[in-house]
Amino acid sequence: DVKVTQSSRYLVKRTGEKVFLECVQDMDHENMFWYRQDPGLGLRLIYFSYDVKMKEKGDIPEGYSVSREKKERFSLILESASTNQTSMYLCASSFQGREQYFGPGTRLTVT
Amino acid sequence: RKEVEQDPGPFNVPEGATVAFNCTYSNSASQSFFWYRQDCRKEPKLLMSVYSSGNEDGRFTAQLNRASQYISLLIRDSKLSDSATYLCVVIRWNQAGTALIFGKGTTLSVSS
Repeated sequence: DVKVTQSSRYLVKRTGEKVFLECVQDMDHENMFWYRQDPGLGLRLIYFSYDVKMKEKGDIPEGYSVSREKKERFSLILESASTNQTSMYLCASSFQGREQYFGPGTRLTVT
Repeated sequence: RKEVEQDPGPFNVPEGATVAFNCTYSNSASQSFFWYRQDCRKEPKLLMSVYSSGNEDGRFTAQLNRASQYISLLIRDSKLSDSATYLCVVIRWNQAGTALIFGKGTTLSVSS
């Protein structure tokens, strides 16, 4: 089975803090994705990566950056957390053009 | 018009009912289609792929209508455990890369 893990299930941070969310997949997938999910807004793509050291902006990249130094690991960084970044963050991975597999999500609260 | 649209529901049905969801997509270049299931406060999980010929998995049947640009999910003999949000996903790829488009989901509530 594909396994996608995320570093934390729940996280509480203060406004202005730098936040790192880690995602690891064990299926040698080329593609990795970061989404946030908010009530009524569905899944929104923040960033994605087609390969190591490659990254592409999604629909809502503002306030976020990413890092992909190794194929299995994709990190989402909030440079200076703000309250409007309180959300559920979901990581996913896939082979090119195929279905995605999601991690369990990180529920981030910024106070 | 959004690229992928779903009726958000909620659909409230009794156990044993048959319920159907539709999902429309606007880009005719879309190439792959999936249904995902998401339980409350959990991650989306792949339910089934959708093929032009239609496919069935137990009580679940998925169909694709390319001419009218929609996909459907039919659930027969609904169980309490079917209560969840169902997301349709459309994938299209071209020289620019792959795009996965999620619908916002349809909520199903099955009651006894």
